[in-house]
Amino acid sequence: KQEVTQIPAALSVPEGENLVLNCSFTDSAIYNLQWFRQDPGKGLTSLLLIQSSQREQTSGRLNASLDKSSGRSTLYIAASQPGDSATYLCALEISGGGADGLTFGKGTHLIIQP
Amino acid sequence: DTEVTQTPKHLVMGMTNKKSLKCEQHMGHRAMYWYKQKAKKPPELMFVYSYEKLSINESVPSRFSPECPNSSLLNLHLHALQPEDSALYLCASSLRDRWGNEQFFGPGTRLTVL
Repeated sequence: KQEVTQIPAALSVPEGENLVLNCSFTDSAIYNLQWFRQDPGKGLTSLLLIQSSQREQTSGRLNASLDKSSGRSTLYIAASQPGDSATYLCALEISGGGADGLTFGKGTHLIIQP
Repeated sequence: DTEVTQTPKHLVMGMTNKKSLKCEQHMGHRAMYWYKQKAKKPPELMFVYSYEKLSINESVPSRFSPECPNSSLLNLHLHALQPEDSALYLCASSLRDRWGNEQFFGPGTRLTVL
């Protein structure tokens, strides 16, 4: 069974710092990997999708990488801002058929101090 | 239109009630999903509809009954729920094309079972 681990579980940094969130998974046979943010009591906002054949994706200050062979993905946030405070979730789709849905990590709770 | 909508936002029900959650998307997506999220936990997949056909998650109790009237609508019928079913219920949809099956989530319905 695929297991997804996110490290650290919580992170608090001053505004302006660059930071890296980590996601690891046990089975490299994945279809794609998706990063989300979730604000308290809200739904999930999709940040980046990396297909299994891709190595990285970028959107604004965010960059996500994928190394299937080592079972790792990282989310890099540049020049962090207080508005980036949220829980960040890594999720995998195992099969391309979509019947499995997403398997989530437990998330990294991020606080950016003004 | 690039969003998934869910109604109601909040729902309080007794254990003998019957209620329904509704989800709608107009992005032409062909897969729709129900997830359940308990406090401080990641979302867990409940059901998947792909091209209006159900893929059942066998661990979901029968007191939860999904319905997909058409490719834009997804319902979750609730009957004889237990207090432990209180959670945030999230709906998602995806295109299911060759570009990676990115999932988009709605804001959720906060369910409280008394």
